[in-house]
Amino acid sequence: DTAVSQTPKYLVTQMGNDKSIKCEQNLGHDTMYWYKQDSKKFLKIMFSYNNKELIINETVPNRFSPKSPDKAHLNLHINSLELGDSAVYFCASSQARGRRAEAFFGQGTRLTVV
Amino acid sequence: GNSVTQMEGPVTLSEEAFLTINCTYTATGYPSLFWYVQYPGEGLQLLLKATKADDKGSNKGFEATYRKETTSFHLEKGSVQVSDSAVYFCALSEETSGSRLTFGEGTQLTVNP
Repeated sequence: DTAVSQTPKYLVTQMGNDKSIKCEQNLGHDTMYWYKQDSKKFLKIMFSYNNKELIINETVPNRFSPKSPDKAHLNLHINSLELGDSAVYFCASSQARGRRAEAFFGQGTRLTVV
Repeated sequence: GNSVTQMEGPVTLSEEAFLTINCTYTATGYPSLFWYVQYPGEGLQLLLKATKADDKGSNKGFEATYRKETTSFHLEKGSVQVSDSAVYFCALSEETSGSRLTFGEGTQLTVNP
């Protein structure tokens, strides 16, 4: 069983389109995250939800909107896609908050905007 | 704020060579430290962790010791294999940062037969 699963794995779309990435975890964790990995492999947090409540919202354009219908799901919707949004987006989850929060990652969604 | 600095890559080694990837950190509180590994085309997997000073994390022959005095968490392996070729990320997590992971830049390791 896949612990953290994301769909789709690959997404190619044109500038200006709106797209969504879905994430589900079956680990029973309370906290979920979205991270962005750029072309140089650098990873940076975008959002974090704890029990459906937004707890981290980094400086991300408001074209990006996360939604957590329940604590096992965290989706990412992106409006008006731009070339610079091309990256790999990783969903993750963890059980504990704070310093011991070891995260489990999905396989990533490679988004290419053309 | 928090930050993690890793040695620059890429690193290329021959099979059975000794590996060290340096990692140092800056944190406002008392962090937990992690090494994650990313194999080609895959997500990140936790390799090992340490949650307090002088703890040693170990897994699959890799080791790292939490050194508070030098704010370091260097990754070592005595004898690398071709299958260890991947990108390695050092990361920290602490209470004041709301459970987010702060990552280093990643180090690409290639092991040749």
